[in-house]
Amino acid sequence: DIQMTQSPSSVAASVGDRVTITCRASQDIGTWLAWYQQKPGKAPKFLIYTASSLQSGVPSRFSGSGSGTDFTLTINSLQPEDFATYYCQHSKTFPITFGQGTRLEIK
Amino acid sequence: EGQLLESGGGLAQPGGSLRLSCAASGFTFSDYAMGWVRQAPGKGLEWVSGISASGGSTYYGDSVTGRFTISRDNYKNTLYLQMNSLRADDTALYYCAKEPWSEDAPDAFDIWGQGTMVTVSS
Repeated sequence: DIQMTQSPSSVAASVGDRVTITCRASQDIGTWLAWYQQKPGKAPKFLIYTASSLQSGVPSRFSGSGSGTDFTLTINSLQPEDFATYYCQHSKTFPITFGQGTRLEIK
Repeated sequence: EGQLLESGGGLAQPGGSLRLSCAASGFTFSDYAMGWVRQAPGKGLEWVSGISASGGSTYYGDSVTGRFTISRDNYKNTLYLQMNSLRADDTALYYCAKEPWSEDAPDAFDIWGQGTMVTVSS
């Protein structure tokens, strides 16, 4: 199985900051990578697909990049509603696996 | 915008069974692959199972292979997860989720239900 490792596990930032979250795959997954945002008590929200394509309706301050084994999610100019947990997920092969999550907290 | 509504969760004994359902609305259910994703209390997301749009292809995570069965009824716009031989570590919130584009296999999830809680305990 392909393992997905996110770093950091948690990060504290302020409104207006730029934050980058990293996701590393245990083997080459091309660009078969998605990112999700989850707030407490809510279902995940689909943000980015194929590593860098923004899902419709997602603010442009969110962006994704990478290919192969190393990927990043960047949030520019953090807004109060962005404080949440973020997950990466590969779909190169079955089983699909998620990263362990990165909790973005208010500093 | 589509919606998904899960049901069927509850308390089950170790070794017992439960059947989850997911009612879909607001999109053409039979055009999309679907999946189940679970989240244990305080933990991260774990993909459980997926199914093609026609129901002809199914996929399972390592921890549920041989115990869980995914199926769908495209006339009733409903996805199912039959869970047998339940274990304590199956305790989780189970989400139903829709694949954004493909009818073959779920590779991402653009619409999620609110989840149904499954607790396995004696």
